[in-house]
Amino acid sequence: EAGVVQSPRYKIIEKKQPVAFWCNPISGHNTLYWYRQNLGQGPELLIRYENEEAVDDSQLPKDRFSAERLKGVDSTLKIQPAELGDSAVYLCASSLAGVSRETQYFGPGTRLLVL
Amino acid sequence: DQQVKQNSPSLSVQEGRISILNCDYTNSMFDYFLWYKKYPAEGPTFLISISSIKDKNEDGRFTVFLNKSAKHLSLHIVPSQPGDSAVYFCAASRAYKYIFGTGTRLKVLA
Repeated sequence: EAGVVQSPRYKIIEKKQPVAFWCNPISGHNTLYWYRQNLGQGPELLIRYENEEAVDDSQLPKDRFSAERLKGVDSTLKIQPAELGDSAVYLCASSLAGVSRETQYFGPGTRLLVL
Repeated sequence: DQQVKQNSPSLSVQEGRISILNCDYTNSMFDYFLWYKKYPAEGPTFLISISSIKDKNEDGRFTVFLNKSAKHLSLHIVPSQPGDSAVYFCAASRAYKYIFGTGTRLKVLA
């Protein structure tokens, strides 16, 4: 069974440019998470989806970040415009709610460097 | 204010010995706790979890202990193997909201 797929794996952009990350969760997983992990820190939740619905976006900086999960499968996280402080690893995770409590499966992440 | 803390950034253990990784939390409302292992350039991988109604959970070489009164959990790896060398994150959860610690880098020496 394929795991969580993320692309691109690495991205280097200049500040003020837009950037987008894509995530394909494990097949059948209805819950999808986006996390940001800064160097030397643990992952921090940005947004959680249950199917197509964003049920927790309280930590998402909505002035520049946006996310969507069309059809309740793939998801895209966008930053526009990017700032130097956005340099981090962006992790996507998925889980199957109601089966095995809260075991999240993480993708390999997208490492973003903003110059 | 960091709700989940891993105060040891690194730990070195001899192969075959026990590794003990520690995690403290401040919010007594957390009801589920997890440990993840992370290798370089990979995402975290789920290792073991424990519900707040238990004080111990065991899976092969890995055991997690929960002390609710002290708001402390620990991960024991016995015996430690070189392949266990990785960064270990603890996480605490309530209502699908996860708070992660900053990680402990474990190095198992052959």
